[in-house]
Amino acid sequence: GQNIDQPTEMTATEGAIVQINCTYQTSGFNGLFWYQQHAGEAPTFLSYNVLDGLEEKGRFSSFLSRSKGYSYLLLKELQMKDSASYLCAVKYNFNKFYFGSGTKLNVKP
Amino acid sequence: DTEVTQTPKHLVMGMTNKKSLKCEQHMGHRAMYWYKQKAKKPPELMFVYSYEKLSINESVPSRFSPECPNSSLLNLHLHALQPEDSALYLCASSQDREPAKNIQYFGAGTRLSVL
Repeated sequence: GQNIDQPTEMTATEGAIVQINCTYQTSGFNGLFWYQQHAGEAPTFLSYNVLDGLEEKGRFSSFLSRSKGYSYLLLKELQMKDSASYLCAVKYNFNKFYFGSGTKLNVKP
Repeated sequence: DTEVTQTPKHLVMGMTNKKSLKCEQHMGHRAMYWYKQKAKKPPELMFVYSYEKLSINESVPSRFSPECPNSSLLNLHLHALQPEDSALYLCASSQDREPAKNIQYFGAGTRLSVL
């Protein structure tokens, strides 16, 4: 719902940097969250943005531009264990959360 | 502690059965959620409870019936399900309505198979 778009799949090399983009419908926007999900497991929280700008959290950073309806998740110093799906979730009014389809990240040696 | 506990982990049921999924959190969170996730798809919001009251029902069929007995517990009662209802059912909780406090923590899910 809410036209949350992410690339379907990305491949990157161990030790590199990768950026995963997310675009969303801006009407009623109330916050954006990034989750990591390994196959068959529950999503785990990575980062969130409410205001414009960059939020840094160790190897993970997330950026938000509310006017553009755009966010990205930046993963630095990639490790093999970072191979997973990355979900962009947007909170709209009244606690409504919608997830993007997820980006499957493949990290290669 | 950011643990959300769901039981059972796996459930197989026939289309005439009645079963319940359970979810528990002890983080003092006041919002709790049910999501349905099909294979290789994102979680889809089903229900939201806020301060133990149902605040969102995303047009979910009545064969799914949520219940929030208290602030720590969330149930999902299942009756007369269809095979297409087979999926991973995820429970989540979050602290507050304010965006900055609304980080959702997910349970490991119940993998449901309807025969």
